[in-house]
Amino acid sequence: QSALTQPASVSGSPGQSITISCTGTSSDIGGYNYVSWYLQHPGKAPKLMIYDVSNRPSGVSNRFSGSKSGNTASLTISGLQAEDEADYYCSSYTSSGTYVFGTGTKVTVL
Amino acid sequence: QVQLQESGPGLVKPSETLSLTCTVSGGSISINHWSWIRQPPGKGLEWVGYISETGGTSYNPSLKSRVTISKDTSRNHFSLKLTSVTAADTAVYFCASWITGTSAALDWGQGTLVTVSS
Repeated sequence: QSALTQPASVSGSPGQSITISCTGTSSDIGGYNYVSWYLQHPGKAPKLMIYDVSNRPSGVSNRFSGSKSGNTASLTISGLQAEDEADYYCSSYTSSGTYVFGTGTKVTVL
Repeated sequence: QVQLQESGPGLVKPSETLSLTCTVSGGSISINHWSWIRQPPGKGLEWVGYISETGGTSYNPSLKSRVTISKDTSRNHFSLKLTSVTAADTAVYFCASWITGTSAALDWGQGTLVTVSS
């Protein structure tokens, strides 16, 4: 299975909104509403930010939102803050009954 | 909140078997799926596989011939075995709880670095 495709980097100024894309195929993102997003700070374990395309776990800020259109999922961070600077990964269920992660996106707060 | 802790050797020789255990506290492994995810140094996340509440398993196709995930409900832990390792298997290995019926890997261990080297 091939990794989902994400942009290598995205940047924005504090207070701005940014969107990270995650492109797959009809056998993963396009076929199921089982897309999740994770934030990872250097040297730390990933943290779940969004699951099932657009649901936020308890305790995650409502500045984070998720959506999906066709074979592409997106994570939007509004009101960008310095603490949002991290690596972000998407993940999707696949038609093989497995999961696959994205290539990862480094978010920089200017 | 469920807490997970990985344990096992930090150094494995090429061609040998990598063995890790994830001990779970604050929750039972009799519910939900229990996963292993790895991350080579400086690279992205790779899903390795999971074991379900019923004991069924699912593995990354690229690793399927070498990987086994099992669990011991009495000890509330689950394990990873990866055979015939090479330097390409050097990575931080994370264990995580995956909520059944969702795409959510909600709770993660801190990760453990396993280096494959002679």
